[in-house]
Amino acid sequence: RKEVEQDPGPFNVPEGATVAFNCTYSNSASQSFFWYRQDCRKEPKLLMSVYSSGNEDGRFTAQLNRASQYISLLIRDSKLSDSATYLCVVNAGTYKYIFGTGTRLKVLA
Amino acid sequence: EAQVTQNPRYLITVTGKKLTVTCSQNMNHEYMSWYRQDPGLGLRQIYYSMNVEVTDKGDVPEGYKVSRKEKRNFPLILESPSPNQTSLYFCASSFWGGGTESYEQYFGPGTRLTVT
Repeated sequence: RKEVEQDPGPFNVPEGATVAFNCTYSNSASQSFFWYRQDCRKEPKLLMSVYSSGNEDGRFTAQLNRASQYISLLIRDSKLSDSATYLCVVNAGTYKYIFGTGTRLKVLA
Repeated sequence: EAQVTQNPRYLITVTGKKLTVTCSQNMNHEYMSWYRQDPGLGLRQIYYSMNVEVTDKGDVPEGYKVSRKEKRNFPLILESPSPNQTSLYFCASSFWGGGTESYEQYFGPGTRLTVT
């Protein structure tokens, strides 16, 4: 089993739709969680850190479920500019970050 | 402007010809790391550094070397490149408080390496 798993997609959604991605992790000792956005072969950029209580930033909401060992990302009112690959990143309190392979989102006009 | 820079951005080389990819950050970050990204495999950590003169292997260190002689620089060295090292490479840096909490990583623009 991979340490961090994501559905590769692509998720094709119309503009204005709500879309959700999940990411599962295998190490129960994981302590820090992040969602990054990556545009076609460019550098990943932080979208959100994920906190235990869940957090929201505009149209984006991140949740952490420690019992089931997954994090989620919800995007409301999707925009064309949201089309990208979303990377889940987990850190177990060590110096190593584990990346998921990413979920591709395409927002269609 | 806070940033991570990498050079070169693109490199085509031949098997066995030593090369160095430079990485520099201006944010005074303790932690720096190198990743390679391959289709279907995502980003995999090659080496990381917790501070000057402190480095350790990531998940795919074979065929690579690093050094951290200054806080701002973390070069990646391929002593004898092979075609299976053809990949997209990213350098990243972040603050590190020394505890168990980890922080946002800032990535360089990437280096696309082709080894023939």
